Parts: sequence; C-alpha cells; structure tokens
Amino acid sequence: SQTIHQWPATLVQPVGSPLSLECTVEGTSNPNLYWYRQAAGRGLQLLFYSVGIGQISSEVPQNLSASRPQDRQFILSSKKLLLSDSGFYLCAWRSVSGGQFFGPGTRLTVL
Amino acid sequence: DAKTTQPNSMESNEEEPVHLPCNHSTISGTDYIHWYRQLPSQGPEYVIHGLTSNVNNRMASLAIAEDRKSSTLILHRATLRDAAVYYCILRDPPSINYGGSQGNLIFGKGTKLSVKP
Repeated sequence: SQTIHQWPATLVQPVGSPLSLECTVEGTSNPNLYWYRQAAGRGLQLLFYSVGIGQISSEVPQNLSASRPQDRQFILSSKKLLLSDSGFYLCAWRSVSGGQFFGPGTRLTVL
Repeated sequence: DAKTTQPNSMESNEEEPVHLPCNHSTISGTDYIHWYRQLPSQGPEYVIHGLTSNVNNRMASLAIAEDRKSSTLILHRATLRDAAVYYCILRDPPSINYGGSQGNLIFGKGTKLSVKP
C-alpha cells in the first residue's frame, strides 16, 4: 500500500531563516506530487505540483520554491522566511483514478 | 465553480450506519464527486469519489443520484474514529492534472459528524 511521509511535524523558525520541508512517498512510482498550504479553517491552496523528476510548476508567486530530486521525494524550501509563511503545509500525491492522498502535514510558525 | 451544500452537523451512535448528504445541483457532466474528511490539526483524508455509478471501498460507499444533483456518503458502521468534518467537493476528471486552479481544494463548511459511544 502507498504511504506518504512528511517531516518535521512542527517547526518554529525566525523571520529570515531558511526552510526545508521534505515529503516522500512509498508504494507508487512516478506519482504526481503536490504542496499545499492550509490556512486555519479554510481550504487548501495549491503551491506547487510536479509530474516527474525535476519538473515543478509553481502556482502562486511567493518566496517559496520546490524541488523534486528523486521520483518519490518532494521538497519545499525558502531562503528567507516571512511572517506570512506561517501555516499548515501538506504534501499530497494523486492516484491514477484521481483521489488525492495527503501526508500528516507540517505546522510552521514563523516568529 | 460548481458548489456543494451539506448540513452543518450530524450525530450518530457508534456501530450504526451514517448517511451524509450532499447537494450539487449545478454539477457539470464531467465533474467527479469527491469526499474528504479532516480531523482538527490533521491533513485531509481521502474517502471516496465517483462519477455516475455508486462506489464502494473499504472506508465507505458513495451513492450518486441518477440526475447527479445529489449524493450520499454512507459509513456502514460508524466508529469513534469516524468523528470528523466531512467535505463533499467537485473536481475535474482524473485525466486532467490538478494544476492551476484545478489543484486548489476549496472546502465548504462541510458536515461535522459526531459519533456517540
């Protein structure tokens, strides 16, 4: 069966510091991968998606970036965090049938 | 965008069936009906999705009206772990990559399901 991992689970970072969130998927090959951010009590905003190694589509202008160095690894990064980057970050993969499966998420607080 | 409407809350007793309704009267011919659920401080969890025919999986069943303007998520035997907010949303066909605005999951208020022991 497929599983998706994210770490860390929680993170507190000062403004201006770098960020690296990692997501890995097991049990599937060449998945479509997604990074979302969820604001409290609201839906999920798509940040990046990737259809293959090295292929990244950015959906929202921001100071975040994403990379896919391996088939089942998706990384969300920032060189300098802003206060507005605080939020709940979710990685997801999509099955061939269309359902999306989410990782446990990372709660980021930028102080 | 096609919208969905759901009751704000529902209650169930443990080990009893639960029927969660969803109205989507403006659904287009290619929209798929998806259900997700979410617990506080956790990411969404995929439950089930379908197009026209009723669907079953290990978590739930999805009954879709013949005119596709409504659907019902069926939990056959509710457990305490099923207590969550359930969201019914419409999405593009799986042949379309979930990029751009199609990638956003715009949840409504959903139905908060409480399960009593």
